[in-house]
Amino acid sequence: GDSVTQMEGPVTLSEEAFLTINCTYTATGYPSLFWYVQYPGEGLQLLLKATKADDKGSNKGFEATYRKETTSFHLEKGSVQVSDSAVYFCALAVNTGTASKLTFGTGTRLQVTL
Amino acid sequence: DTAVSQTPKYLVTQMGNDKSIKCEQNLGHDTMYWYKQDSKKFLKIMFSYNNKELIINETVPNRFSPKSPDKAHLNLHINSLELGDSAVYFCASSSERDYGYTFGSGTRLTVV
Repeated sequence: GDSVTQMEGPVTLSEEAFLTINCTYTATGYPSLFWYVQYPGEGLQLLLKATKADDKGSNKGFEATYRKETTSFHLEKGSVQVSDSAVYFCALAVNTGTASKLTFGTGTRLQVTL
Repeated sequence: DTAVSQTPKYLVTQMGNDKSIKCEQNLGHDTMYWYKQDSKKFLKIMFSYNNKELIINETVPNRFSPKSPDKAHLNLHINSLELGDSAVYFCASSSERDYGYTFGSGTRLTVV
């Protein structure tokens, strides 16, 4: 079946540090890939997505590139801020016709300190 | 305007009770979902409806019954609540055209 593996957290960084959160996947079809963010006490927000190989998704300084050869979609940001502290979820979806479902990784908590 | 709204936001109830969570989306999406997030933040799909038709039904106990009166609404009814049902339940909707998944803000269910 489909699955997503992302690095264990928590990840603790100082403000302005470089962020990488690793994500790899296995899928039976040709998936679309997503990063979602969940701020404390809130729901899930789509951060970025990529629908085909070599696509780069980007938003709010975050970016991730769909690497089919390594089945990866690592999240990066050049300079994190305290306001980026949240749980980040990597996810995939395979369209099976009438519906698709998101399969999530276990989430990585990011804590950014001053 | 809230795109995907679910009510209530918090729900505390005793074991054995029956409760419902409601969800509405105003995005014109064809597909709606229920996801469960456990205490370790793990998210797993429960159900998916497309135009009021059940499409995905993961291994969820029969005590959970989704109902979709129209394609803008997907409610979740839970019978005989158990302690293990305590979680955050998220409603979501999506468009087949662009994989635009949108999530509600969640309902935190606590069974005591």
